[in-house]
Amino acid sequence: GDSVTQMEGPVTLSEEAFLTINCTYTATGYPSLFWYVQYPGEGLQLLLKATKADDKGSNKGFEATYRKETTSFHLEKGSVQVSDSAVYFCALRNTGTASKLTFGTGTRLQVTL
Amino acid sequence: DVKVTQSSRYLVKRTGEKVFLECVQDMDHENMFWYRQDPGLGLRLIYFSYDVKMKEKGDIPEGYSVSREKKERFSLILESASTNQTSMYLCASSPFRGLEEQYFGPGTRLTVT
Repeated sequence: GDSVTQMEGPVTLSEEAFLTINCTYTATGYPSLFWYVQYPGEGLQLLLKATKADDKGSNKGFEATYRKETTSFHLEKGSVQVSDSAVYFCALRNTGTASKLTFGTGTRLQVTL
Repeated sequence: DVKVTQSSRYLVKRTGEKVFLECVQDMDHENMFWYRQDPGLGLRLIYFSYDVKMKEKGDIPEGYSVSREKKERFSLILESASTNQTSMYLCASSPFRGLEEQYFGPGTRLTVT
């Protein structure tokens, strides 16, 4: 079946550091890929998405590129802020699955001054 | 904006009680989902529904049931709560077709004592 693997956290960075959170997936067919973010005490919000190979999703300074050859969708940001501290989830949705999402286990990011 | 609301942010119940968690969405979405979120396990799908009165089991349906009598409302029922059902419960909705993401509610943190 489909699966998503994320790097384990927590990831601790200083403000303005470069961020990478790795995400790889296993799926048949041509899934859509998503990054969700969960701020403390809140539900999940969509951060960005990509629906086909080589697409780049971007939002709020975050980027991720759908790499089919390496089955990856790594999240990057050039300069993190304290307000980016949250849990980040990588997810995929495969065709013919009634919009079900398969999630990774989440990566906690903590940004310090 | 899509809005998904959940009836309670925090809930404390006793072992053996029947527990109802309610979710309402205001965007006329066909699909609705219930997940539980636990540290180190990410989000796991309990049940989903793609139409009124329709339901399908997710990955961990044991100990849970659901009800969808109206399109906008999806209820999760714990018939006899147990301590291992202490968790964060997240509701989500999405359109039936297309590449749209799921929209999440704020979550209900349930503690069973």
